Amino acid sequence: QSVLTQPPSASGTPGQRVTISCSGSNSNIGSNTVNWYQQLPGTAPKLLIYSNNQRPSGVPDRFSGSKSGTSASLAISGLQSEDEADYCCAAWDDSLNGPVFGGGTKLTVL
Amino acid sequence: QVQLVQSGAEVKKPGASVKVSCQTSGYTFTGHYMYWVRQAPGQGLEWMGWINPNSGGTKYAQRFQGRVTMTRDTSISTAYMELSSLRSDDTAVYYCVRTRTGLASTGIDYWGQGTLVTVSS
Repeated sequence: QSVLTQPPSASGTPGQRVTISCSGSNSNIGSNTVNWYQQLPGTAPKLLIYSNNQRPSGVPDRFSGSKSGTSASLAISGLQSEDEADYCCAAWDDSLNGPVFGGGTKLTVL
Repeated sequence: QVQLVQSGAEVKKPGASVKVSCQTSGYTFTGHYMYWVRQAPGQGLEWMGWINPNSGGTKYAQRFQGRVTMTRDTSISTAYMELSSLRSDDTAVYYCVRTRTGLASTGIDYWGQGTLVTVSS
């Protein structure tokens, strides 16, 4: 059972905008920043968004992140077939003194 | 460029131990914390603990306390994770990952390629 809650699946058609939610608590998202990772099948996760809404170099600006209170969201605009992957949120947890993760959301591009 | 290269897949019997290595390059090894994270088949990511490569200090997740040991060798920029008393539900891909800054709390930026550990009699 993951500490952060994500929907297990999401879908969209090419060109559409999709959002994925991530819900936590005061000890994690409520008091720390959120990171998002993309995991293509059979590969290690890759950093997509850090510090709630910052993109590492090389990540397209179609990907954006936001945070409000104890929840965060990842938005993907102009959906492309290569965006089909698992997306996972993460945040530091002050009670655990370690990171916690969401269970992951499998995005299907129809 | 930053690289984290892990040791190869392992098959172990229940009750045995496994030690996974993570050789790093392209950055100052002692300047970033390292976590170990695992992913069981079809499951989400699970944090196992972290090590401060500079001091050798560690923090383990409660559920792994007493079974996991994280160490490092700064002379070869390599971190290690040893898990003992293996059970079938320890079957997972194990990742070493680097924190984005010198603080433990800033999250992960680079990942190793993963090491599949299979526990089976």
